[in-house]
Amino acid sequence: GNSVTQMEGPVTLSEEAFLTINCTYTATGYPSLFWYVQYPGEGLQLLLKATKADDKGSNKGFEATYRKETTSFHLEKGSVQVSDSAVYFCALDNFNKFYFGSGTKLNVKP
Amino acid sequence: EAGVTQFPSHSVIEKGQTVTLRCDPISGHDNLYWYRRVMGKEIKFLLHFVKESKQDESGMPNNRFLAERTGGTYSTLKVQPAELEDSGVYFCASSQGDPFWYEQYFGPGTRLTVT
Repeated sequence: GNSVTQMEGPVTLSEEAFLTINCTYTATGYPSLFWYVQYPGEGLQLLLKATKADDKGSNKGFEATYRKETTSFHLEKGSVQVSDSAVYFCALDNFNKFYFGSGTKLNVKP
Repeated sequence: EAGVTQFPSHSVIEKGQTVTLRCDPISGHDNLYWYRRVMGKEIKFLLHFVKESKQDESGMPNNRFLAERTGGTYSTLKVQPAELEDSGVYFCASSQGDPFWYEQYFGPGTRLTVT
């Protein structure tokens, strides 16, 4: 079957710290992988995506690489800001159907 | 351009009552999706419309849930009768086409509380 597992939160970091949020998946076929972000009071927004193995998605300083050998898509950012505080969801799309992880809440303190 | 809108933002109902959630997709988006997040767990797919047709409704939990998209514009999701386990956040999303090529845009969600 298809599923996504991501690290539980909350994750609390100081500003300018390095961020890693782990995400692993199981899937049939060749899924596309996504990271979505939900800021307080808003809907989910696409942060980045990768559509095939070894692709790296990047946006706003965030990066994630599609690792087929480890079935992972870990989210990283070198220096977080207070404005990055949000809930982050890892997801996969297989045959036009999305499977999401449970979300990881990130709190960044000044 | 307006984004995906959902109404209401929050609904509190008693067990056994009926609630109807509404989603207005981005104009011109043929694809409309419903998802829900229960108890802070993963967001789960409910169903997918292409225009007014149900493309995939495999995620609908049971026959107490009814989704419609008359005319291929806005969509409603009715829960009748509501149960306690239906509490959660219901998200709607729309896109121009296949997520491989087109981004899904999400609404802010409707928080449903069943007491």
